[in-house]
Amino acid sequence: DTEVTQTPKHLVMGMTNKKSLKCEQHMGHRAMYWYKQKAKKPPELMFVYSYEKLSINESVPSRFSPECPNSSLLNLHLHALQPEDSALYLCASSQRIAGGETQYFGPGTRLLVL
Amino acid sequence: AQKVTQAQTEISVVEKEDVTLDCVYETRDTTYYLFWYKQPPSGELVFLIRRNSFDEQNEISGRYSWNFQKSTSSFNFTITASQVVDSAVYFCAPKFGNEKLTFGTGTRLTIIP
Repeated sequence: DTEVTQTPKHLVMGMTNKKSLKCEQHMGHRAMYWYKQKAKKPPELMFVYSYEKLSINESVPSRFSPECPNSSLLNLHLHALQPEDSALYLCASSQRIAGGETQYFGPGTRLLVL
Repeated sequence: AQKVTQAQTEISVVEKEDVTLDCVYETRDTTYYLFWYKQPPSGELVFLIRRNSFDEQNEISGRYSWNFQKSTSSFNFTITASQVVDSAVYFCAPKFGNEKLTFGTGTRLTIIP
């Protein structure tokens, strides 16, 4: 089973709202990732967790706050977002960060910030 | 610099035609990994294939085949007898050393019924 699930599928929020995106995998993977994808662009890496610790932060604004409560779950907390943050947010997981481990992606959350 | 180029932005072919998507990369690393992902309109990135730099065997999986040419730094993807369900954006994504996946700009493939 190579399934990564994400909720919600769609999210509309105002600039003053606080919301969270959730990601879950049960493949025993120890690396989890958040990507942001704007329309007609490739995914851009935001954060990487390795063994539940934040390993990479690609200079993402603090209005995005990741959290990894356990090895199966990854959250992305959103606060005071801007309209330009509207995008598809993709979660992925892999056995580990190093080497050529395959990243498996979830279906994504389409976020619209009004 | 390490980079990947997918020169074809959009391709349209009639159903049942064969189509090849190009991927060219630049790296000085001797160890790296090459991936292809498919992104249908639903948005999910679907893993298609992984190769490492030491394995130059071409691979066939059903209607899909991959041609890895280390000498020309290319990893091209061919769909034989294309179907409408193949319509998607396809990303070539090398991973150089222990760095992050480097996504190409993608090729949007449209199969015309």
